Amino acid sequence: DTAVSQTPKYLVTQMGNDKSIKCEQNLGHDTMYWYKQDSKKFLKIMFSYNNKELIINETVPNRFSPKSPDKAHLNLHINSLELGDSAVYFCASSRDGLYNEQFFGPGTRLTVL
Amino acid sequence: DAKTTQPPSMDCAEGRAANLPCNHSTISGNEYVYWYRQIHSQGPQYIIHGLKNNETNEMASLIITEDRKSSTLILPHATLRDTAVYYCIVRVAGGAQKLVFGQGTRLTINP
Repeated sequence: DTAVSQTPKYLVTQMGNDKSIKCEQNLGHDTMYWYKQDSKKFLKIMFSYNNKELIINETVPNRFSPKSPDKAHLNLHINSLELGDSAVYFCASSRDGLYNEQFFGPGTRLTVL
Repeated sequence: DAKTTQPPSMDCAEGRAANLPCNHSTISGNEYVYWYRQIHSQGPQYIIHGLKNNETNEMASLIITEDRKSSTLILPHATLRDTAVYYCIVRVAGGAQKLVFGQGTRLTINP
């Protein structure tokens, strides 16, 4: 049983294209996140949604638009892709509560040519 | 969130205990110490967390000094599969809190 899943695992595309990455969690969690890990391996938060409501938006270009159709899904749409968008994108989820351990997906490696 | 300082890399022999230190001298009273690890090409994985008491679970032990300014993650019997980057993160509990990852410690378990 996959707790947090992402599709696709790999995504190769040309500059200027629009692409989406999908994330689903079957843990019944209320909060979902998107993190970006760049080529230097730094992991940074991008967005967080709680019960479909955006609660964290970390100075991300507005070309990035998260969409949460329901509590179990948080998709990431990227417009006008740039070379610097190449990275591994991780989705995560956590339940509400005091300690809220985050569960991460396997990642989506995006390569912009 | 308080900053943490970790050694960039460590080595440990398979079967021995791996002790990973973390300094968090500016930690506040309501901040917890969390440890995550990232095995190559995988998503980060939660290991353990604590406030001021020592904690143990099936993966590891967490020793927090009395002044809470530093902590040590202990993997009691390291295996090759424990080779990973280990992140020490300090943050308040509750709510949808982001994780602020530093550079972590790259732990290599040698056969």
